Amino acid sequence: GENVEQHPSTLSVQEGDSAVIKCTYSDSASNYFPWYKQELGKGPQLIIDIRSNVGEKKDQRIAVTLNKTAKHFSLHITETQPEDSAVYFCAASANAGGTSYGKLTFGQGTILTVHP
Amino acid sequence: DTEVTQTPKHLVMGMTNKKSLKCEQHMGHRAMYWYKQKAKKPPELMFVYSYEKLSINESVPSRFSPECPNSSLLNLHLHALQPEDSALYLCASSHLAGGPYEQYFGPGTRLTVT
Repeated sequence: GENVEQHPSTLSVQEGDSAVIKCTYSDSASNYFPWYKQELGKGPQLIIDIRSNVGEKKDQRIAVTLNKTAKHFSLHITETQPEDSAVYFCAASANAGGTSYGKLTFGQGTILTVHP
Repeated sequence: DTEVTQTPKHLVMGMTNKKSLKCEQHMGHRAMYWYKQKAKKPPELMFVYSYEKLSINESVPSRFSPECPNSSLLNLHLHALQPEDSALYLCASSHLAGGPYEQYFGPGTRLTVT
């Protein structure tokens, strides 16, 4: 089955700096890669996603890049703010078929702390 | 609107109690999910409903019993739970199952089993 590795497990930055979180996946059939932000006491919030036919996607201060050949994808947050502090999860999924129904496989999470 | 609601927000129950968690979405999604999340871990899939029918059970113990009364509602019935079942229970929904499609999560129910 799919395995997703996420690094780093913790990341501390100063306000205004950039933050990068990296994930690698094992299943070449995976073609959908969402990122979730989870604040304390809340459910995961989908913040950006990318599909395998796209190399990069941006939404204001956040961007995601995908390298299918190397099987890795990254989340980039620019001009970080204290409210960006949260746990970030990457995930990977493939189309349904065979033994897969399109299940999300999550990374272990990154605790991002942005210091004012 | 991508809102999934869950009630109650917090629940404390004894090992002999029976309780239910509720989830609702009004996005017209036809797939709904239950996840369990332990502290500092990613969500773990428990069940998937597609068109109100159970399509995936990730080998969850029978003390957890899901139910999908209609396309907007999802319940999780709890009975004879163990302390290790204490966790955040998350509901999610997506347009369809198997796409893959964007999954939207609710805020969760924080369950404590005493």
